[in-house]
Amino acid sequence: SYELTQPLSVSVALGQTARITCGGNNIGSKNVHWYQQKPGQAPVLVIYRDSNRPSGIPERFSGSNSGNTATLTISRAQAGDEADYYCQVWDSSTLFGGGTKLTVL
Amino acid sequence: QVQLQESGPGLVKPSQTLSLTCTVSGGSISSGDYYWSWIRQPPGKGLEWIGYIYYSGSTYYNPSLKSRVTISVDTSKNQFSLKLSSVTAADTAVYYCAREGSPNYFDYWGQGTLVTVSS
Repeated sequence: SYELTQPLSVSVALGQTARITCGGNNIGSKNVHWYQQKPGQAPVLVIYRDSNRPSGIPERFSGSNSGNTATLTISRAQAGDEADYYCQVWDSSTLFGGGTKLTVL
Repeated sequence: QVQLQESGPGLVKPSQTLSLTCTVSGGSISSGDYYWSWIRQPPGKGLEWIGYIYYSGSTYYNPSLKSRVTISVDTSKNQFSLKLSSVTAADTAVYYCAREGSPNYFDYWGQGTLVTVSS
């Protein structure tokens, strides 16, 4: 079965760029979506179809997908970006990555 | 603005059936433009997709849960529902309902409801 691999945690200095990866076999051939989840809240879609931002999501959030790795990039990281981030694909079923905790230092 | 709201018992006994309903407002399930999904998250863990339903009643379930899951829709009430049978403590989780756009992403979520399986 298909598996998605995310780092457990990523740290970034305030104002710097954070990159969160999502690994999977030939993931570049799939549509990858990303969600942000803050404690006690429902997930929020931040990137869909690899690199598209829903309305209301800051331009600081961007995505890319190629080969075996999809990446969520958060530029000029803010304290409010601290959250868990999940990648998601469809492969005969909807699959989520294990999630990455982003810490803004 | 589409809104989803989960409702149902917060406590279910082992071996019984978990039942939840999601009420959709600000949009019609019958529009046919979306699928309607259930997703769960055990405390402190990641997200697990349970399955979806289309307004016509067609469904698709996570193979790992398929034998225990039933999702149904009531278009007259703009609601869809989840039944999970033979629950155990491993089914304790926050259950979310969500709207699924194309291709297969979740753009609107309910706030989630915690269901605890315990005697």
